[in-house]
Amino acid sequence: GAVVSQHPSWVICKSGTSVKIECRSLDFQATTMFWYRQFPKQSLMLMATSNEGSKATYEQGVEKDKFLINHASLTLSTLTVTSAHPEDSSFYICSAHPQLAGTRNEQFFGPGTRLTVL
Amino acid sequence: RKEVEQDPGPFNVPEGATVAFNCTYSNSASQSFFWYRQDCRKEPKLLMSVYSSGNEDGRFTAQLNRASQYISLLIRDSKLSDSATYLCVVNMILDSSYKLIFGSGTRLLVRP
Repeated sequence: GAVVSQHPSWVICKSGTSVKIECRSLDFQATTMFWYRQFPKQSLMLMATSNEGSKATYEQGVEKDKFLINHASLTLSTLTVTSAHPEDSSFYICSAHPQLAGTRNEQFFGPGTRLTVL
Repeated sequence: RKEVEQDPGPFNVPEGATVAFNCTYSNSASQSFFWYRQDCRKEPKLLMSVYSSGNEDGRFTAQLNRASQYISLLIRDSKLSDSATYLCVVNMILDSSYKLIFGSGTRLLVRP
């Protein structure tokens, strides 16, 4: 149980294009999904918290107009990197918090999407 | 000061060795604690939760000291497959919501 998928697993795009990444919880419902970014040899950094049916909450320093998040259902959240540039190249990982997870607030992670912007 | 601090390593140990990792966190209101394992170019995977009373899962033992804001992970009888980066993760309330805060990880290399 508690499987989270991401698509695509990797993408290479030209500078200036937009890239959409999907995050799905396959066997549970997630009212909250999280988007992280990890640069080489660095830790995961939370970008935004995505709540089903409402606007995402972005962390300080993350541009909401550049990283568009949509959480239209209890099993799907999308992150769109708009007008991507080489400095956006990174490993993007989503996680999902099950609706009935209790108090420990465990999160289950997707396999990640490796974005390379040329 | 980082919210979660770990020694980056790497720890280079022979098979069968016992190795311990430490982690400190800065927010005394932190709610729950975890160790995750991350293999190269993969997503983090939950290794174990950490409870105040200490807990063990096979060769892995985790300890939490709330007074010192300190978490540890002990790996006994290391296997080659234990080679990975171990992430100390703290769940804390920030800006009125729960968030996972990741340490930068400690790299473990187990050699034959």
